Amino acid sequence: RKEVEQDPGPFNVPEGATVAFNCTYSNSASQSFFWYRQDCRKEPKLLMSVYSSGNEDGRFTAQLNRASQYISLLIRDSKLSDSATYLCVVNGAYSGGGADGLTFGKGTHLIIQP
Amino acid sequence: DTEVTQTPKHLVMGMTNKKSLKCEQHMGHRAMYWYKQKAKKPPELMFVYSYEKLSINESVPSRFSPECPNSSLLNLHLHALQPEDSALYLCASSRVATGAAEAFFGQGTRLTVV
Repeated sequence: RKEVEQDPGPFNVPEGATVAFNCTYSNSASQSFFWYRQDCRKEPKLLMSVYSSGNEDGRFTAQLNRASQYISLLIRDSKLSDSATYLCVVNGAYSGGGADGLTFGKGTHLIIQP
Repeated sequence: DTEVTQTPKHLVMGMTNKKSLKCEQHMGHRAMYWYKQKAKKPPELMFVYSYEKLSINESVPSRFSPECPNSSLLNLHLHALQPEDSALYLCASSRVATGAAEAFFGQGTRLTVV
């Protein structure tokens, strides 16, 4: 199994600021990429998929650089409710095209301060 | 509807007990997963079922026995567990088990082995 690396933080950010997280993955054969959000003692919830062309969903922007094996998440105008752990997730790291599961990074803990 | 339902939400069991965790989805997904998550760690893949067949077993001890009775249901049978097996057990499903299919998680079963 290959690894997904993230800075665990915590990132302490004032409300309204912009914050960026990065993630690297080691398996160049990885096919799909996601950001999940996990609140304390809750299940992971899909935040967004990450595409090579980059994608935006409201205040959230995700980027993928396949050459550098690097994924990023940008949160603009951060809200108190954005406080959570953000998990970088890669699919296609277990096998070469057969049934597969998700590989999670350790997560980045974000604290938005009023 | 992106709901995955897990029961029970909490379970306390002795080391000699036999219990089962249940997971259900009605999204027509053909891939279902069991993950284990310890405190302050990311989820770790245990099993992948694709079209009701076990596709991946991540070297999980035999005291954990998965079962997929049909495309909507996934069980995890537990027997002779150890205290270190205490964790949050997460079920997830996705449209298929490969490619860019997004996975959705249930709320988890918080298991304590005494």
